[in-house]
Amino acid sequence: QKEVEQDPGPLSVPEGAIVSLNCTYSNSAFQYFMWYRQYSRKGPELLMYTYSSGNKEDGRFTAQVDKSSKYISLFIRDSQPSDSATYLCAMSAGFGNEKLTFGTGTRLTIIP
Amino acid sequence: GAVVSQHPSRVICKSGTSVKIECRSLDFQATTMFWYRQFPKQSLMLMATSNEGSKATYEQGVEKDKFLINHASLTLSTLTVTSAHPEDSSFYICSAENRGGGYGYTFGSGTRLTVV
Repeated sequence: QKEVEQDPGPLSVPEGAIVSLNCTYSNSAFQYFMWYRQYSRKGPELLMYTYSSGNKEDGRFTAQVDKSSKYISLFIRDSQPSDSATYLCAMSAGFGNEKLTFGTGTRLTIIP
Repeated sequence: GAVVSQHPSRVICKSGTSVKIECRSLDFQATTMFWYRQFPKQSLMLMATSNEGSKATYEQGVEKDKFLINHASLTLSTLTVTSAHPEDSSFYICSAENRGGGYGYTFGSGTRLTVV
């Protein structure tokens, strides 16, 4: 069993829809949770970072962490064609040069 | 924001030759950098952790004699793929943590290596 599971998709939704992306994990030591967006042939860019359980909102993006269920989510409101990319969840057990464990990534396409 | 510059962005080399990839933190010092490999439509797999002034730590299954890592300064880490073979063709990405800028690992733009 992988430490982090993520549905690879692909996921296609119409412009303006709410997108829900999810990851589950098995390692209870994970404390820091991140969502990265990766465009084709580019390095990942950090979208959201959350420590422990709870919600965090930044513009159209909301990240949720439920440590009791070992489940994290990223919601994208009012989705735009420019949101089309691969979304990777990532986690680490500590802060400060701790290695990240990534999900496989979900490929998202927003249809105009 | 923190920027990690990675070069080259794309390289094609002949089988048996060596290729060097550079990763620089432009506006912060990085005592630790990470090197990843990514196959098409797959996630990032950590290859090694590069520590300034000391030997790199390699993940299980990664050949340290084939993937040479040097972290000679606080802003530069290099990955050299020695005696490259077609199966080494992949997307290589580095990342570094900007401790002074809050939490977050910044990634380079990646290097597409094709061995022919």
